[in-house]
Amino acid sequence: EVQLVESGGGLVQPGGSLRLSCAASGFTFSNYRMNWVRQAPGKGLEWVSYISNSDSTIYYADSVKGRFTISRDNAKNSLYLQMNSLRGEDTAVYYCARETNDGGYFDYWGQGTLVTVSS
Amino acid sequence: SYVLTQPPSVSVAPGKTARIPCGGNNIGSKSVHWYQQKPGQAPVLVIFYDRDRPSGIPERFSGSNSGNTATLTISRVEAGDEADYYCQVWHTTSAAYVFGTGTKVTVL
Repeated sequence: EVQLVESGGGLVQPGGSLRLSCAASGFTFSNYRMNWVRQAPGKGLEWVSYISNSDSTIYYADSVKGRFTISRDNAKNSLYLQMNSLRGEDTAVYYCARETNDGGYFDYWGQGTLVTVSS
Repeated sequence: SYVLTQPPSVSVAPGKTARIPCGGNNIGSKSVHWYQQKPGQAPVLVIFYDRDRPSGIPERFSGSNSGNTATLTISRVEAGDEADYYCQVWHTTSAAYVFGTGTKVTVL
């Protein structure tokens, strides 16, 4: 069974940093592209970042470019999101999502971890 | 950037048909995917590549895509279909995934 479990969320002050993790199981992690998607309270889904299966290709949404860094450790079956210079508008539930081998869409999602940026 | 526009809400009586449009510039030239999200839960894929259904998704869910509008259709709506629905595409020019604004489906 495919499982994605996020961790690392919490309360952080504006300007602070946080590192999210996503532990994957039930599939060959190194074969799949991965993404982070977030959802602010009461709002819609917003794609954040993409990483290819070998981490050779990385993309970011304009809203986080230069502040967030996506990475992965295929040996540990884990995906990460380093978030720096956090702002109030970064407050959201952050989901990790597996991208299908066909590309272009997400077939499995974690349950999410809440990040709250507030003083 | 590429924008996908959905109506904020759609209401439908049980047993009737709900149609959820997703508007985008020449969206018919892109592959559109749809997700269902119930309160407090992660999104679930219900349609991929405009009209294909993942295993486990009822045949009542169908999709189409042409011109500037993609549409998710839910036939014979049930109370359990009440949820938020999002369309999604890959925008090559900006190298970004784009989600629609989301539509809340209410079953009357």
